[in-house]
Amino acid sequence: GNSVTQMEGPVTLSEEAFLTINCTYTATGYPSLFWYVQYPGEGLQLLLKATKADDKGSNKGFEATYRKETTSFHLEKGSVQVSDSAVYFCALNANAGGTSYGKLTFGQGTILTVHP
Amino acid sequence: GAVVSQHPSWVICKSGTSVKIECRSLDFQATTMFWYRQFPKQSLMLMATSNEGSKATYEQGVEKDKFLINHASLTLSTLTVTSAHPEDSSFYICSAKGRLGDTQYFGPGTRLTVL
Repeated sequence: GNSVTQMEGPVTLSEEAFLTINCTYTATGYPSLFWYVQYPGEGLQLLLKATKADDKGSNKGFEATYRKETTSFHLEKGSVQVSDSAVYFCALNANAGGTSYGKLTFGQGTILTVHP
Repeated sequence: GAVVSQHPSWVICKSGTSVKIECRSLDFQATTMFWYRQFPKQSLMLMATSNEGSKATYEQGVEKDKFLINHASLTLSTLTVTSAHPEDSSFYICSAKGRLGDTQYFGPGTRLTVL
């Protein structure tokens, strides 16, 4: 079956530090990959996505590259801010011939706390 | 664009009553809507998938008679928690997907507390 594994948190960083949150996946077919962010008390917001191998998704200074050879989609940011404190979810859509209706499989989430 | 709203944002009810949660896509037609449940500090658990005009598909272990889902139009889906009990207390999140593409857009969630 499909699965997503994220690095365990919580992750605590100082402002302007470099961030990496690891994400690896197993899936049949050719999945699309996503990073979602959830701020306290809110729903999920799409942060970035990549739909095929070697694609790089980017948004708000965050980046992730779809690596098929290592089945990974690690999230990175060069300089984090206090406002980046949130829970980050890696997810995949297996696109199983269109029959999945776009069902997402989520990782367990990684809590990020950034201190001033 | 791609805004999804939920109503109410929070609700408190007595045990045994039913609660309806609405999910609306405000600026696009949602051919497919998804309902998730999220426990504190945990990931999202998909409950069911609904396509406009057809019956919802429930994930294994989710009681369809307990969690009634209606997707009557391309912009509205409802989740009704029937005969709610304290163990149903949770954060319920919907998402919506348009006809093209595979990106889901999430609502802000509804916090249900059953006393």
